[in-house]
Amino acid sequence: NAGVMQNPRHLVRRRGQEARLRCSPVKGHSHVYWYRQLPEEGLKFMVYLQKENIIDESGMPKERFSAEFPKEGPSILRIQQVVRGDSAAYFCASSLLTREAVSWTVNTGELFFGEGSRLTVL
Amino acid sequence: QKEVEQDPGPLSVPEGAIVSLNCTYSNSAFQYFMWYRQYSRKGPELLMYTYSSGNKEDGRFTAQVDKSSKYISLFIRDSQPSDSATYLCAMGASGYSTLTFGKGTMLLVSP
Repeated sequence: NAGVMQNPRHLVRRRGQEARLRCSPVKGHSHVYWYRQLPEEGLKFMVYLQKENIIDESGMPKERFSAEFPKEGPSILRIQQVVRGDSAAYFCASSLLTREAVSWTVNTGELFFGEGSRLTVL
Repeated sequence: QKEVEQDPGPLSVPEGAIVSLNCTYSNSAFQYFMWYRQYSRKGPELLMYTYSSGNKEDGRFTAQVDKSSKYISLFIRDSQPSDSATYLCAMGASGYSTLTFGKGTMLLVSP
């Protein structure tokens, strides 16, 4: 019974390169969230996606960052032209129901987090 | 003023001690309050969840919310070395899809 799977667990990139982080949600979950954890900082919301739709990207930097959750396959967080300040742990979480669902409860709306992808930019 | 304030610690206690972890917040719209536990190099896992004000108890853990003071607490009784982790408070205004997290408090329980 696999939980949220993220890969790669560790990624090293040089400034200017691209980073692609992948997230496979819990089986049956169709809601995916990306959070970023900077050193000495808390988790910061980046983006909330459903299959083929971006629902809320209010926490996503306006440039260089993009996310998708295609009909088939994992969700992907893409960072173009990485800079040193992008070095962080990126966590993906999934849930069964959206917060607006009538039948939302702590059990169905709970966020399950992956173990994170740690990006280091040299 | 940050939306959620949490003392980063570390907080060091001996085994068996009662631990008190706290967060303050400024957004009066928050209604859902959670505590997550995060072991080193792992993802956060939900520990406790409370809606609005009040107390909730689960085994050795008790979560308290005081909305009038904008203050939440997590108490751990009979602390164990396995409780050593970073504890993150999180809160949301509606559901908890887009949560606002505190920075986390590192707890160290020594045998």
